[in-house]
Order: sequence, then C-alpha cells, then structure tokens
Amino acid sequence: GAVVSQHPSWVICKSGTSVKIECRSLDFQATTMFWYRQFPKQSLMLMATSNEGSKATYEQGVEKDKFLINHASLTLSTLTVTSAHPEDSSFYICSAFFPRTLGVNTEAFFGQGTRLTVV
Amino acid sequence: AQSVTQLGSHVSVSEGALVLLRCNYSSSVPPYLFWYVQYPNQGLQLLLKYTSAATLVKGINGFEAEFKKSETSFHLTKPSAHMSDAAEYFCAVSAGRGNTPLVFGKGTRLSVIA
Repeated sequence: GAVVSQHPSWVICKSGTSVKIECRSLDFQATTMFWYRQFPKQSLMLMATSNEGSKATYEQGVEKDKFLINHASLTLSTLTVTSAHPEDSSFYICSAFFPRTLGVNTEAFFGQGTRLTVV
Repeated sequence: AQSVTQLGSHVSVSEGALVLLRCNYSSSVPPYLFWYVQYPNQGLQLLLKYTSAATLVKGINGFEAEFKKSETSFHLTKPSAHMSDAAEYFCAVSAGRGNTPLVFGKGTRLSVIA
C-alpha cells in the first residue's frame, strides 16, 4: 500500500538551532501534505497545509517564520523548526492523501512521526 | 466546518470483553469518517473508514464501526478485546473533497486488563 516516510524518527537538538524534518510519499505523488503537532497525551493539531510549488497555508496561531515548510516536489515536503526552544519539543507527524479518485481524497496516510526534543 | 467529539479519554476493559469507543461528529457536508490507532511514539495506523458506502464498516484487527447519520455517531467496536489492542484511538472527520485535512478528536486511551 501507499507509504509516507518521515525522517528522522527522533532528534535532540540544542536550543537556538534549527531542525529539518522530511516527509516523503514513497509510491505516489502528493500535491498536498499536512503537518500536525501532537503534545503528550493529546490529539493531533493541524499546523499547516503544504502545497507543492506554492506557499504553505498555516493554521491560526502557528508562526510561519518559525515553522518553515517547503514542498519542492510532488513526493517531498520538509518542515524546518528554526531557532528551536524547549517549548517546541513535541511529536510532529506529516500526512498525505492517496489520490484514488480525481477530486475525492479518501485515504490519508501518516508518517511515523518525529519526536523532537530541544535541550 | 467539521469537528469530532470522543466520549471518554480513557476506557478500560477486561481481556475478552467488548470494546466500545464512542465518536460523535459534526459536519456541514456529508462526512468521511475514520478511526486510527496510535501506539506510543509511533504514527497513526488506519483501522477503518466510512466514505458514504456501507454504513457498517469492517476494519483491521477485528474492529468495526457503524455510521449513524441520525445520531451523528461513528462508534468503534470489537467483540473481544486483546491485550495488543491497548493503545490510543483517534476518530477523525474530513469533508472528503479536494485536499482537505482530517480533523481529529482528542483521542481515547484503551487499556486492556488481563
């Protein structure tokens, strides 16, 4: 079946540094990918919608200058957490829809998630 | 707009007992509904989905869910719980048109007691 691969699965970085997380659709093309953030024991909150070849759309309250999203190809979207701080520590998950029927997306696949710890 | 309410943040059942996880949705358009399972520090795995076909949906690992429009519900059930079912379960809704993201409920943690 369709697979979404996310890398790295976990990362520890120092406060003030930047971290890049990759999300790849391995056997299908995804014009749109979604980035979610999950705090411990909480649900997934949509951060942004990543569109291939155009600017990402951010949800209210998400700092676009802090969470840089690039969707340079139909199979790769990246999320860069810039100048990371301990409060950015979280579980980040990407998602892409497998396009079964034109205009109707019914199958969403998720990456394995990235555990970011900022120390 | 869509939203999901999962009743009960934590459900505990005995091994072999019925599992019932509740999900109610709100949607301004015909919804597409999903149940996902998440194990610690892992991504989400699709259990089953409703996409306007049969209202009783069967998924993996013996789970099933029934879409009830009159009750705006999509409860997840399994006749007999197994220890390996212990995990976090998320109900989600989408408009199903174009590239619209899923909206998730807050999740229900299922514990299975031996």
